[in-house]
Amino acid sequence: AQRVTQPEKLLSVFKGAPVELKCNYSYSGSPELFWYVQYSRQRLQLLLRHISRESIKGFTADLNKGETSFHLKKPFAQEEDSAMYYCALRAGANSKLTFGKGITLSVRP
Amino acid sequence: KAGVTQTPRYLIKTRGQQVTLSCSPISGHRSVSWYQQTPGQGLQFLFEYFSETQRNKGNFPGRFSGRQFSNSRSEMNVSTLELGDSALYLCASSSGTVLNEQFFGPGTRLTVL
Repeated sequence: AQRVTQPEKLLSVFKGAPVELKCNYSYSGSPELFWYVQYSRQRLQLLLRHISRESIKGFTADLNKGETSFHLKKPFAQEEDSAMYYCALRAGANSKLTFGKGITLSVRP
Repeated sequence: KAGVTQTPRYLIKTRGQQVTLSCSPISGHRSVSWYQQTPGQGLQFLFEYFSETQRNKGNFPGRFSGRQFSNSRSEMNVSTLELGDSALYLCASSSGTVLNEQFFGPGTRLTVL
């Protein structure tokens, strides 16, 4: 069975500081990995997916199969990045999404 | 396109009652997934329906059930409510194709007293 672990519940940084939100997964096959974000009073929405290999709002995430990790990074945090972030895994094209428990990112001015 | 809608947005029930939640997906989407969101457990997958058939199922007791209609709208039912069922219930729709991005609704906040 697949599992997603987000080891921290809260990360608080100052504006302009680098951010790394950790995500580790366990799955024996080749998973599809995602980061979802939920801003205050907004819906959960897709931030990025590993197959796209793109930067969204300055965030990037690289799939490291050796370390089974998919950490989310941003070099300079902005106050508007404050939100709840969830890492998610899908084991196959038609399989369910398995979410981690999420991490709250707080960016202070 | 209109987004995913969920009704009702808030519900208060008492233990032992049953409840039905509704989800209308984005037009053209054939897949609807349901999740339970709680502060302690985060987002937990309940089930997914695709073209009126349950395609995936999570690890929830049989009190949790769902269905999907021919217009892709979906309902979720919880019978014999327990205090621990208090949560935000989210549904998400997707095209069901390979890229399969899920679009989430605003959720239904269920409180069981």
